[in-house]
Amino acid sequence: DAGVIQSPRHEVTEMGQEVTLRCKPISGHNSLFWYRQTMMRGLELLIYFNNNVPIDDSGMPEDRFSAKMPNASFSTLKIQPSEPRDSAVYFCASSFIRNYGYTFGSGTRLTVV
Amino acid sequence: GQQLNQSPQSMFIQEGEDVSMNCTSSSIFNTWLWYKQDPGEGPVLLIALYKAGELTSNGRLTAQFGITRKDSFLNISASIPSDVGIYFCAGVSQGGSEKLVFGKGMKLTVNP
Repeated sequence: DAGVIQSPRHEVTEMGQEVTLRCKPISGHNSLFWYRQTMMRGLELLIYFNNNVPIDDSGMPEDRFSAKMPNASFSTLKIQPSEPRDSAVYFCASSFIRNYGYTFGSGTRLTVV
Repeated sequence: GQQLNQSPQSMFIQEGEDVSMNCTSSSIFNTWLWYKQDPGEGPVLLIALYKAGELTSNGRLTAQFGITRKDSFLNISASIPSDVGIYFCAGVSQGGSEKLVFGKGMKLTVNP
């Protein structure tokens, strides 16, 4: 099992540019979560999907953020336009049964300059 | 929203010492989880607890689900340098959705 795979691992972009983060969940998992981690706020849940359907996007900061899950094996988180305050580590996690916890990817470290 | 209060926020210990950390909530949780995050990586599940009063061990780690269902603790015995990292508690609230609620984390430093 390759685990949850995220790409890229690091992204440096200029303010105003579009950024797309990618995630491949563990095969068979039916829930997918996008988190953002910063020193100030810790781990924040942005959005989660169940069976490819967005269930709760109340954590998405603003309209500049959007997420899609076109199929069970792929999800994207897009920021357009990006701003310096979006700089953070973005994690994707997947799970099958919530009580067993989530499996996290290694994260994408985003720096917006 | 729901919050988990995790304490302490950081600890500096000598190799070989035991360390204890806990997590509390104002509401009842049905599941408690403890994660560890190594630098540059995502959190990894250490222990999961599903019943009030449950005490579970995983090697040098021991965790308990509080009787009130509003707290949990994690103990690490005989610490080693590779125990360094950030430890998070997380929980699934009673009547809650798929969402895990995470604590702010406890940064552990182990001096050789």
